[in-house]
Amino acid sequence: EPEVTQTPSHQVTQMGQEVILRCVPISNHLYFYWYRQILGQKVEFLVSFYNNEISEKSEIFDDQFSVERPDGSNFTLKIRSTKLEDSAMYFCASVSGLSYEQYFGPGTRLTVT
Amino acid sequence: GENVEQHPSTLSVQEGDSAVIKCTYSDSASNYFPWYKQELGKGPQLIIDIRSNVGEKKDQRIAVTLNKTAKHFSLHITETQPEDSAVYFCAASLNRDDKIIFGKGTRLHILP
Repeated sequence: EPEVTQTPSHQVTQMGQEVILRCVPISNHLYFYWYRQILGQKVEFLVSFYNNEISEKSEIFDDQFSVERPDGSNFTLKIRSTKLEDSAMYFCASVSGLSYEQYFGPGTRLTVT
Repeated sequence: GENVEQHPSTLSVQEGDSAVIKCTYSDSASNYFPWYKQELGKGPQLIIDIRSNVGEKKDQRIAVTLNKTAKHFSLHITETQPEDSAVYFCAASLNRDDKIIFGKGTRLHILP
């Protein structure tokens, strides 16, 4: 069964550093998303991406965040200058556009020290 | 925007008994309601979903009901098994390509 993959599984970084989280969505999917989950809290929407541009972003997704689809398979989330409060699990998800199901990746645990 | 409330936050049931998790949503335009199961260290996995033109859907031991008038939807798990222990999230979405708004989750413990 096709699945969404994410790398790395765990990233530790110092405050102020840049991080790039990588995702490979399911190959025929057209819509891509990033969500985050702070420990013990609900999963929160960050940004959606379609046709090589952002279709919607939440208020969490400020100027420190950016997304990119650099090639036909990868989808990345960049945080330019990490803060302690960016520590969370980051999930990538994708949708085919023909159905409603959003498929989630296993997540990247980001720890900012 | 949409807000999804979920309860209880924790639920313990004896193995073999049924578990019910309830959610409400605020935006009457929402028309897609997925349920996700999250095991420790993993991403949310879709277990069942329902669209607004349907009142009930069943898949083996799992069923979901939707009351659009009251803006309530519920997950029912029958004949619970140890592997059902996990965190369950209800969610709502406007359309097939729209963002998903999650509830806060229910930690389900199946007691031996």
